[in-house]
Amino acid sequence: GAGVSQTPSNKVTEKGKYVELRCDPISGHTALYWYRQSLGQGPEFLIYFQGTGAADDSGLPNDRFFAVRPEGSVSTLKIQRTERGDSAVYLCASSSQGGSDTQYFGPGTRLTVL
Amino acid sequence: AQSVTQLGSHVSVSEGALVLLRCNYSSSVPPYLFWYVQYPNQGLQLLLKYTSAATLVKGINGFEAEFKKSETSFHLTKPSAHMSDAAEYFCAVTKDSNYQLIWGAGTKLIIKP
Repeated sequence: GAGVSQTPSNKVTEKGKYVELRCDPISGHTALYWYRQSLGQGPEFLIYFQGTGAADDSGLPNDRFFAVRPEGSVSTLKIQRTERGDSAVYLCASSSQGGSDTQYFGPGTRLTVL
Repeated sequence: AQSVTQLGSHVSVSEGALVLLRCNYSSSVPPYLFWYVQYPNQGLQLLLKYTSAATLVKGINGFEAEFKKSETSFHLTKPSAHMSDAAEYFCAVTKDSNYQLIWGAGTKLIIKP
């Protein structure tokens, strides 16, 4: 079946602009995660959804970052007033029910803030 | 706080040689440990997962890893490297919550013909 998909694959924006990154999880997966991967580093946890609600948003760096999952499937990560330091690859993963279930990752969205 | 250290940002081996990628976690035993592989322009793919059922874990593509509590290690090995193994490998552990993954910085595996 289809895996996790993310759009766009690449996004270039200017400092101060607003961006939205989309994640389509594996069908039927109730848990969805966002991670951020900076160059030369491993992924960094941002937020975890269980169904429609954010069960853990402790990894969001500040209030410019926000994520939603209104119908419990597709999720959108929103970044306001982008800064150059936001440049990274944003990864989405989903798992069957959360907890210790295996997380399946999408290919990521590479965000570049000029 | 839990942390993961991967020794060597780049490891180079000859085709057919043993592959050894090192991973150490901080002192408290994490609930689960993982190795993921990332091929160029692809998503992270699970290689194997330790769940305390057995200390030696076999994964896909001939890889295996051994959990050693006394050494706080979870090193990844493969007896004979293949050109198709060239990729970046990440070690990760879970926090007590079980869902939040803490990642190492990754090791890029280079295979020499």
